[in-house]
Amino acid sequence: EAGVTQFPSHSVIEKGQTVTLRCDPISGHDNLYWYRRVMGKEIKFLLHFVKESKQDESGMPNNRFLAERTGGTYSTLKVQPAELEDSGVYFCASSQVGNTEAFFGQGTRLTVV
Amino acid sequence: RKEVEQDPGPFNVPEGATVAFNCTYSNSASQSFFWYRQDCRKEPKLLMSVYSSGNEDGRFTAQLNRASQYISLLIRDSKLSDSATYLCVVVEYGNKLVFGAGTILRVKS
Repeated sequence: EAGVTQFPSHSVIEKGQTVTLRCDPISGHDNLYWYRRVMGKEIKFLLHFVKESKQDESGMPNNRFLAERTGGTYSTLKVQPAELEDSGVYFCASSQVGNTEAFFGQGTRLTVV
Repeated sequence: RKEVEQDPGPFNVPEGATVAFNCTYSNSASQSFFWYRQDCRKEPKLLMSVYSSGNEDGRFTAQLNRASQYISLLIRDSKLSDSATYLCVVVEYGNKLVFGAGTILRVKS
């Protein structure tokens, strides 16, 4: 069975550009989470989808970040316009409803220059 | 104060050593606790759950003290392959994971 997959694995963009990250959760997992690790800091929660609904987006840094999960399958996280402080590793995780065990994707390493 | 605090290390130990990691958390309402392992430039992977009654899985033992809001991980007979960052994780409302910054373990031959 395929795990959580994320695309791209790496992205280098210039400040002011737009980047879209994609996450495909494990099939059948209704919970989908986005997390981020910036250099030297701990992994931090960004937001949580249950199917296509945003359950909790309290961790989103600001309105330059937009997450969607149309149809309740894969999710995208768009950063527009990107700033230098957005650099970091963006992880996606999924889990079954009622199960606290979350499975992580390999992450997207975003570098804004 | 951080929600989950860990000693960042690094812990440099020889093969065969026993090593213990500690973690404290600030939210007394937290209900679930885990240790995750993260290898360099890889994703976090669940190592084990943590219970008040203790949880043992081979060479690994995890323990929770709710009164002290303290979590521990003990690794016996360390292997080179145990070298990684160990993340203390607390689960909050909505199954949101709150991570510590991680403790680096380096096992040397």
